[in-house]
Amino acid sequence: AQSVTQLDSQVPVFEEAPVELRCNYSSSVSVYLFWYVQYPNQGLQLLLKYLSGSTLVKGINGFEAEFNKSQTSFHLRKPSVHISDTAEYFCAVSSWGGSNYKLTFGKGTLLTVNP
Amino acid sequence: NAGVTQTPKFQVLKTGQSMTLQCAQDMNHNSMYWYRQDPGMGLRLIYYSASEGTTDKGEVPNGYNVSRLNKREFSLRLESAAPSQTSVYFCASSVGTVNTGELFFGEGSRLTVL
Repeated sequence: AQSVTQLDSQVPVFEEAPVELRCNYSSSVSVYLFWYVQYPNQGLQLLLKYLSGSTLVKGINGFEAEFNKSQTSFHLRKPSVHISDTAEYFCAVSSWGGSNYKLTFGKGTLLTVNP
Repeated sequence: NAGVTQTPKFQVLKTGQSMTLQCAQDMNHNSMYWYRQDPGMGLRLIYYSASEGTTDKGEVPNGYNVSRLNKREFSLRLESAAPSQTSVYFCASSVGTVNTGELFFGEGSRLTVL
């Protein structure tokens, strides 16, 4: 069975500081990896995805993530955050389950950007 | 530019009442999903429909039923609501019949069961 662990439930940072949101996964097969963002009182939207190829993937709003197969990690980074980045961020892993892909979400990391 | 539309956005029920959450997508997607989101639990899949005419159970299907009315619409029904079903419900869709994980979400329906 696959699983996703987001190592921090809350991350407070100051505006213009760098941030890293950590995500580790476990799976016995090849995976696709995703980060979703949820702004207050909204649905989730895709931030970035890793399907294959380059292990460094860039997403919207200046975010990027690096797939590290040996460490089974997919950490999300941004060099300088804005107040508007305050949101909950979900890491997700997808792998083939025999009849369909199974998508598993982490429990989320609440990023709060303070002035 | 609507994407995935859910109704209602808010609902309060008494234990034992029934209700249906409606979802429609205008992106011509094949697959549709219902998730519930609870604090500290992430998102958990209730039911999904890989194509019109098919539905399958997800991780937490008990107490729910679904109908894929046509390619656009996928409804979630609570026949006899329980306080444990208090949650935020999200409908989502994806392009293919095989979902690699790229989903488009609605804005959610907040349900409270008293």
